[in-house]
Amino acid sequence: QVHLQESGPGLVKPSQTLSLTCSVSGGSISSGDYYWSWIRQHPGEGLEWIGYVYYRGSAFYNPSLQTPVTISIDTSRNQFSLSLSSVTAADTAVYYCARTFQLQRRGTGGWDYFFDYWGQGALVTVSS
Amino acid sequence: DIQMTQSPSSLSASVGDRVTITCRASQSISSYLNWYQQKPGKAPKLLIYAASSLQSGVPSRFSGSGSGTDFTLTVSSLQPEDFATYYCQQSYNTPFTFGQGTRLEIK
Repeated sequence: QVHLQESGPGLVKPSQTLSLTCSVSGGSISSGDYYWSWIRQHPGEGLEWIGYVYYRGSAFYNPSLQTPVTISIDTSRNQFSLSLSSVTAADTAVYYCARTFQLQRRGTGGWDYFFDYWGQGALVTVSS
Repeated sequence: DIQMTQSPSSLSASVGDRVTITCRASQSISSYLNWYQQKPGKAPKLLIYAASSLQSGVPSRFSGSGSGTDFTLTVSSLQPEDFATYYCQQSYNTPFTFGQGTRLEIK
């Protein structure tokens, strides 16, 4: 059974960098079938996809985010990480890491992407 | 970005009821649509992918349908554990986007 676990500080000061790590167990992060995503949820609100990283290190980010983002991967540790720099109070949220399954459709060759395993979530508060 | 709009935003129903939640995309997304269930304080759980494919382990009372811009999630007979918030999510292109959620409450 695949398990994901977020770790990192629960409190970050404004203008500093928010850093979280997701540890993956029960499966290899180096499988080509998956991307590895970060998703956040502001208090009492909906879900916002931040971006994802592939095991080879390529990453894609949501251009709608106001905060500079970096997602990196460490295959030797079976972990991937999120870094948000120059955070503000608007970055206060529960941050989830999630495995993103990429499934090729028969016939059309198109690709489905869905979040099939999630971490429990990490609340990060940005406050001085 | 593709905007996803769910309706209703909240819904009251009773155990045993059949309920339907609707999700509309701002442009055609074929059938690249997923559904999730989230309970308070928990991570979302995948229910349906590719509009109508049931994720392994999810009860068969959940079903999804639709293509293009209009999609539905149906629960054929509500059970007590189904009262939660439901989200749709498009994977037609990045950035992946979610609907605002539908809160399903006990009547």
